[in-house]
Amino acid sequence: EAQVTQNPRYLITVTGKKLTVTCSQNMNHEYMSWYRQDPGLGLRQIYYSMNVEVTDKGDVPEGYKVSRKEKRNFPLILESPSPNQTSLYFCASSSDRQGYAPQHFGDGTRLSIL
Amino acid sequence: AQTVTQSQPEMSVQEAETVTLSCTYDTSESDYYLFWYKQPPSRQMILVIRQEAYKQQNATENRFSVNFQKAAKSFSLKISDSQLGDAAMYFCASDGLGSARQLTFGSGTQLTVLP
Repeated sequence: EAQVTQNPRYLITVTGKKLTVTCSQNMNHEYMSWYRQDPGLGLRQIYYSMNVEVTDKGDVPEGYKVSRKEKRNFPLILESPSPNQTSLYFCASSSDRQGYAPQHFGDGTRLSIL
Repeated sequence: AQTVTQSQPEMSVQEAETVTLSCTYDTSESDYYLFWYKQPPSRQMILVIRQEAYKQQNATENRFSVNFQKAAKSFSLKISDSQLGDAAMYFCASDGLGSARQLTFGSGTQLTVLP
């Protein structure tokens, strides 16, 4: 089954404790991205990756890091989480970098930073 | 840069009736795609319908159709014969085809379907 898998689904942690949200897709997609969803703001892009070792900032990259060492994985790293990063996070992938194919979303990760 | 505006935070419709959700956008791209995504309480993001900007014909997927007005930069979603399972948050999004491949979302419209 084609899917984008995120882990964990839920996480409550404290300010300053480094965390990683994993994202893996089994569709051999080149393009992957991370979004955060906040009430009244829709989804905003954090980082995206066009291919292995190619990443770039989206609209709200501050406080986040990503890496793309393998095609299937695109982890989101919060080196020193803060309460304003409490949000719902989505990973997405697409077969086409140019937008011709729609993006497939994971089921989301609910992060709470205390 | 792209912006997407959904001016209706909440809407309701009677079961079996028709409802239209509004969306306007702005983009500097010459070619782009527009999408409607549905997010039920399970919070999954489900693609409902997609419109290619260079196509004049409005996209249709079963009970879902769009009214795409390129000059007015308007992209509304019409749901016919509304069902209880249509209740969800609906997001309009645009995808520019420039070097920075990015989905830009509106703030969403919460649709309630009344039995």
